[in-house]
Amino acid sequence: DAGITQSPRHKVTETGTPVTLRCHQTENHRYMYWYRQDPGHGLRLIHYSYGVKDTDKGEVSDGYSVSRSKTEDFLLTLESATSSQTSVYFCAIKGQASNYGYTFGSGTRLTVV
Amino acid sequence: DQQVKQNSPSLSVQEGRISILNCDYTNSMFDYFLWYKKYPAEGPTFLISISSIKDKNEDGRFTVFLNKSAKHLSLHIVPSQPGDSAVYFCAAANYGGSQGNLIFGKGTKLSVKP
Repeated sequence: DAGITQSPRHKVTETGTPVTLRCHQTENHRYMYWYRQDPGHGLRLIHYSYGVKDTDKGEVSDGYSVSRSKTEDFLLTLESATSSQTSVYFCAIKGQASNYGYTFGSGTRLTVV
Repeated sequence: DQQVKQNSPSLSVQEGRISILNCDYTNSMFDYFLWYKKYPAEGPTFLISISSIKDKNEDGRFTVFLNKSAKHLSLHIVPSQPGDSAVYFCAAANYGGSQGNLIFGKGTKLSVKP
């Protein structure tokens, strides 16, 4: 099983504060992704990375930034959290398996009050 | 505009019967399709996939069918078990092109009743 961990698992923060979510992998995979899951919307891509310092925007990138200074870590930052960013955030890695699928972390439940 | 659509938010099936989950897509450039299963408080887990060069892929109780002309795929679970109760996401990608990111549908919540 691919080693991918997200931290924290749960967080409550106030509107307007910055928040950083961390995704850590032990598999040395090149591609990493951040998705958010919301009722009625499924999984939507926020940002992705295809290597150290190489990142790009996804479908719902407004209000989010990312950084990848090391292969193993992919950080998602909410510069100024809003209530609309209350969601469950999933990190994923794209492995070398023949099924071409992603392996997801366990998620971070973020509540912005 | 949604490129991957799962039009049934929920499905209820009796244990032992067949569960059929449906997915439609609009982008003809998609060349790979996947199904993920998600339990509450866990991340999605890969279930089964199919390349666009095939029309069927089977793995145990799970079979995925692809109808390219209709831009439709379906997941069949036979026989359904209570442990199959979860949210199922359909996903698609254009791995042959420059944009290979997975695009997901909104999910279908399957409930298998004993």
